Amino acid sequence: DAKTTQPPSMDCAEGRAANLPCNHSTISGNEYVYWYRQIHSQGPQYIIHGLKNNETNEMASLIITEDRKSSTLILPHATLRDTAVYYCIVRVHYSGGSNYKLTFGKGTLLTVNP
Amino acid sequence: DAGITQSPRHKVTETGTPVTLRCHQTENHRYMYWYRQDPGHGLRLIHYSYGVKDTDKGEVSDGYSVSRSKTEDFLLTLESATSSQTSVYFCATGGTYSYNEQFFGPGTRLTVL
Repeated sequence: DAKTTQPPSMDCAEGRAANLPCNHSTISGNEYVYWYRQIHSQGPQYIIHGLKNNETNEMASLIITEDRKSSTLILPHATLRDTAVYYCIVRVHYSGGSNYKLTFGKGTLLTVNP
Repeated sequence: DAGITQSPRHKVTETGTPVTLRCHQTENHRYMYWYRQDPGHGLRLIHYSYGVKDTDKGEVSDGYSVSRSKTEDFLLTLESATSSQTSVYFCATGGTYSYNEQFFGPGTRLTVL
């Protein structure tokens, strides 16, 4: 799986949009971008994933650049409960091999301030 | 979120004793996983299952065994607990395919004295 690079920490004001960047310059054509988060003392939580088109769900939006070398997770109206470590992961979509494995890096600690 | 429960949520045990952690899911997901999370190491896969009675090793499987006799239950056993197995253990489930997104349980905090 391609390696990802994320800033170690970010701050955001409550009610504002939080934009979390991820660099995955070595991503290959069949690798998807996934985002998870882990709130303190809880299990990781799946947020969203995409291949090349922008994606949106009830939690967040995912913007992937045209060359797919980077992406941004957007939380449109951050709340205090969004304070968590956010992980950007790339993985292939095919059955078999070792793609069952989720490799979590160090992620970005997002702190939402009142 | 997938209906995933883990039991017990907290356990303190002594070195050398066997310990079994249980993961139960209500989503009928084919894939199930056990991870451990330690400071400085992030999440590491211990074992996973791709169906009833079908299991395989992850990256840190030594000292652990698993069983899956029903779709909904995935058991993790520490055959003889050691202090190095003090950790937070997370169960996760996936869908029909190995690349499906994974949903995590609340975790079990295990302390081995």
